[in-house]
Amino acid sequence: GDSVTQMEGPVTLSEEAFLTINCTYTATGYPSLFWYVQYPGEGLQLLLKATKADDKGSNKGFEATYRKETTSFHLEKGSVQVSDSAVYFCALYGGATNKLIFGTGTLLAVQP
Amino acid sequence: DGGITQSPKYLFRKEGQNVTLSCEQNLNHDAMYWYRQDPGQGLRLIYYSQIVNDFQKGDIAEGYSVSREKKESFPLTVTSAQKNPTAFYLCASSNAGGPLSVEQFFGPGTRLTVL
Repeated sequence: GDSVTQMEGPVTLSEEAFLTINCTYTATGYPSLFWYVQYPGEGLQLLLKATKADDKGSNKGFEATYRKETTSFHLEKGSVQVSDSAVYFCALYGGATNKLIFGTGTLLAVQP
Repeated sequence: DGGITQSPKYLFRKEGQNVTLSCEQNLNHDAMYWYRQDPGQGLRLIYYSQIVNDFQKGDIAEGYSVSREKKESFPLTVTSAQKNPTAFYLCASSNAGGPLSVEQFFGPGTRLTVL
């Protein structure tokens, strides 16, 4: 069935470091892909999305490119800030089931 | 401001008691969802509703029940049959329709603890 695999955390970085959080997926058809962010004690917020191959989603300095050939949607940011500390979830919609399928989440901790 | 509200933020329950979690949205969305979040796991879908007076089981519906009598409200009842109810519960909503409409908006969550 459809699934999403994320790199395990926690990821600990110093401020202004480069961030990559890996995400790969398994799905039939052509799913839409998402990154959600969850700040401590809060619900999830959509960070960015891509609906077809080679699309690049971007928001708040974060980027992710939908790579069909490698079934990946890695999240990147050139220079992280302390305020980026949160849990990041990769998700897909579509494929075999019309439901949003989440990865297990990756905790990012940015130190000053 | 449009959004989703969940109440209460924290909830404590004794074993054997049913408890109802509230979820209200004023986004005029047709679809609503309940998820459960446990440490180290992704979100798991409990129930969802694509239209008023209709709902479907998600992946972990056992021990839970829902109703959808109004478009803006989708309460979740955690029954005594749920073996391990302590978790963080998230409600979400979206426009029904094709892939371009599937962005889900989440509420702030309710943390349920069984004593």
